[in-house]
Amino acid sequence: DIQMTQSPSSLSASVGDRVTITCRASQSISGYVNWYHQQPGKAPKLLIYGASTLHGGVPSRFSGSGSGTDFTLTISSLQFEDFATYYCQQSYNFPRTFGQGTKVEIK
Amino acid sequence: QVQLVQSGAEVKKPGASVKVSCKASGYTFTSYYMHWVRQAPGQGLEWMGIISPGGGSTRYAQKFQGRVTMTRDTSTSTGHMELINLRSEDTAVYYCARGHDYRDIEYWGQGTLVTVSS
Repeated sequence: DIQMTQSPSSLSASVGDRVTITCRASQSISGYVNWYHQQPGKAPKLLIYGASTLHGGVPSRFSGSGSGTDFTLTISSLQFEDFATYYCQQSYNFPRTFGQGTKVEIK
Repeated sequence: QVQLVQSGAEVKKPGASVKVSCKASGYTFTSYYMHWVRQAPGQGLEWMGIISPGGGSTRYAQKFQGRVTMTRDTSTSTGHMELINLRSEDTAVYYCARGHDYRDIEYWGQGTLVTVSS
């Protein structure tokens, strides 16, 4: 199975900050990475697919990059509603696997 | 708009089975896959398997092989996930999610809490 390792596991930031979360795959997965965010008690929501394509309705402050084994999610200017847990996931093969999550908290 | 509405919370005893339903609307049910993902309390996301609503073919994570069955009813646009021989470690929120060829797991149901306790 492909392991997805996110870093950091958590971070504290302020509204307006630029935030970067990284995800490393245990083998090359081309650009087959999705990013989700999940607010407490809610279902995850797709932010980015194919490593860099914004899902419909997702604000442009979110961006994704990377290919091969190393991927990045960036929030250019953190908003209050962005305080949540973020997950990467590989869609390269089965079984699908997720990173362990990155919790973004208010500083 | 795409909606996935899941059945309500369940409480089960160890050794029992549970069947979670997921009713889809707002799109052509037979044109998209359905994934099932679970999340134990305070933990991350764990993929369980996928079903093709068209032909009904399935693929399960090895961890759940022999205990999970995913089915679909195209007449009601509903997917089902049955997990047997429940143990306390199966306590989790179970999600269904629509799957796309390229966008993969894109829309999620609201989740169903399954509690396994004696």
